[in-house]
Amino acid sequence: SQTIHQWPATLVQPVGSPLSLECTVEGTSNPNLYWYRQAAGRGLQLLFYSVGIGQISSEVPQNLSASRPQDRQFILSSKKLLLSDSGFYLCAWTPPGPVDTQYFGPGTRLTVL
Amino acid sequence: QQQVKQSPQSLIVQKGGISIINCAYENTAFDYFPWYQQFPGKGPALLIAIRPDVSEKKEGRFTISFNKSAKQFSLHIMDSQPGDSATYFCAATETGRRALTFGSGTRLQVQP
Repeated sequence: SQTIHQWPATLVQPVGSPLSLECTVEGTSNPNLYWYRQAAGRGLQLLFYSVGIGQISSEVPQNLSASRPQDRQFILSSKKLLLSDSGFYLCAWTPPGPVDTQYFGPGTRLTVL
Repeated sequence: QQQVKQSPQSLIVQKGGISIINCAYENTAFDYFPWYQQFPGKGPALLIAIRPDVSEKKEGRFTISFNKSAKQFSLHIMDSQPGDSATYFCAATETGRRALTFGSGTRLQVQP
């Protein structure tokens, strides 16, 4: 069966510090991978998605970047965090091809102080 | 045109009551409409989904009603239980797209 992992689970970082969040998927090959951000009490904002290694699509211009160095690994990064980067970051995957059901990871709670 | 509008923002229902959450869309090309359930501090999980070739889909206490002409779909939770207290998101997409468009979410509280 397929499993999606995210780490760390929680993170507190000062403004201006770098960020690296990691997502890995097990039990599938060539998945589509997604990064979402959820502000407190708000909906899901799609940040990036990837259909293959090195292929990244950005949905919203921002302070963040994404990379996919391996087939089942998706990384969200920032060189300098802003207060507005605080939120709940969710990774999701779907089988290859056009999207159908998305499966979400457990999330990372990021607080920027 | 890619938006999905969800209402209400929050909902309080008594145990045993019916919870109803509504979503509306503009893009007539949308052809897949899932609902996700999210508990605090957890990632959303697929609850139930429908395609526009049917007007209703039922799974246990959860039912999706779909009105293609009105471009609306709704989630009904029958016999609501305190364990149903969560945030619910509707979503939509069209064949060939790589991403879902999510509604803004409804926070449901079922009082015992």
